[in-house]
Amino acid sequence: EIVMTQSPATLSVSPGETATLSCRANHGLSSSLAWYQQKPGQAPRLLIYDASTRATGVSARFSGSGSGTEFTLTISSLQSEDSAVYHCQQYNKWPLTFGGGTKVEIK
Amino acid sequence: QVQLVQSGAEVKKPGASVKVSCRTSQYPFTDYYLHWVRQAPGEGLEWLGWINPNTGDPKYAQRFEGRVTMTADTSISTAYMHLHRLRSDDTAVYFCARGLLGSTNWYYFDHWGQGTLVTVSS
Repeated sequence: EIVMTQSPATLSVSPGETATLSCRANHGLSSSLAWYQQKPGQAPRLLIYDASTRATGVSARFSGSGSGTEFTLTISSLQSEDSAVYHCQQYNKWPLTFGGGTKVEIK
Repeated sequence: QVQLVQSGAEVKKPGASVKVSCRTSQYPFTDYYLHWVRQAPGEGLEWLGWINPNTGDPKYAQRFEGRVTMTADTSISTAYMHLHRLRSDDTAVYFCARGLLGSTNWYYFDHWGQGTLVTVSS
């Protein structure tokens, strides 16, 4: 199965700054990667699919990039409401797999 | 708007079975695969499998084959996940999620249920 590795495990960023989250796959995915945001006690929420396409209603402060094995989620002008765990998920090959998540904390 | 509403928390003993339901609304139930994903306490997300509500055909992650059954009742737009021979490491929040087909014919998830906590403890 494809193993997804997210880094860093925790990211502490000041309000207004930019957070850069990494997701790496051990096999090429083309652009078949999604990003989700999960707040405590809630279900994940789709942010990005096809590596760089924002889901409906998602703020333009969230952007995705990358292809192949290296992907990045960038959150610009960080706000307190962005405090959450962010998960990446590959859908290039069965079985579908997720990364371990990156927790974003607001300083 | 699209809604997925799951059944309530469960406490089970090791070796028992649990059945979690996922009632959907505001979209054509048979048009989208329903997936199940779980999250152990403090851990990441793990995909269990899907059910095709139109045909009733499931597909399971290999590690759950033989221990999970996924079904759908189109008359009430509800999907079910039945996990058998529970172990303590099955303790997790179980989510249902609606799948959208990517260009590679596999799925990502645009709507999720609220989650169901299943606790396995003697």
